[in-house]
Amino acid sequence: DIQMTQSPASLSASLEEIVTITCQASQNIGNWLAWYQQKPGKSPQLLIYGTTSLADGVPSRFSGSRSGTQYSLKISRLQVEDIGIYYCQQASSTPPTFGAGTKLELK
Amino acid sequence: EVQLVESGGGLVQPGRSLKLSCAASGFTFSDYNMAWVRQAPKKGLEWVATISYDGSSTYYRDSVKGRFTISRDNAKSTLYLQMDSLRSEDTATYYCARHWGTYLDYWGQGVMVTVSS
Repeated sequence: DIQMTQSPASLSASLEEIVTITCQASQNIGNWLAWYQQKPGKSPQLLIYGTTSLADGVPSRFSGSRSGTQYSLKISRLQVEDIGIYYCQQASSTPPTFGAGTKLELK
Repeated sequence: EVQLVESGGGLVQPGRSLKLSCAASGFTFSDYNMAWVRQAPKKGLEWVATISYDGSSTYYRDSVKGRFTISRDNAKSTLYLQMDSLRSEDTATYYCARHWGTYLDYWGQGVMVTVSS
């Protein structure tokens, strides 16, 4: 199975701050990478797919990028509604595997 | 509006069975592969199983192979997960999710399954 190593495990940031979360794939997955946001007490929601494409309704302050097998999610100006847990997921092969998650809190 | 509503969860003893259902609406159910994903308490997401749009192909994570069965009834727009020989490590919130290619674009609200004596 492809392992997804996500960091950091938790992150505390201020409003309007730039936030970056990374995921390292254990092997080449091309651009088959998604990010999900899970707000407290809610189900996950697709945020980004294909490494860089925003899902419907996702604000433009979210962006995704890739360098080799390292993938990044960036929030350009943190808002209150962005608080939650973020997961990466490789969609290159079965089984689909998720990172362990990054808990994003307000400082 | 796409809606996925899970049901059938609860408390069950180890070794017993439980069947989850997921009622879909707001889209043509028979056009999409579907999946179950679980989340143990305070833990991350774990894919459980996927079924093709027509039910002809199924895929499972190793730890549930031979114990869980994913199925669907396209006439009823309903997805199922039959869980047999349940173990304590199966305790989790189970989400029904719609595949969009190899991504999961809509998720249900989840249903809790607790395996304990």
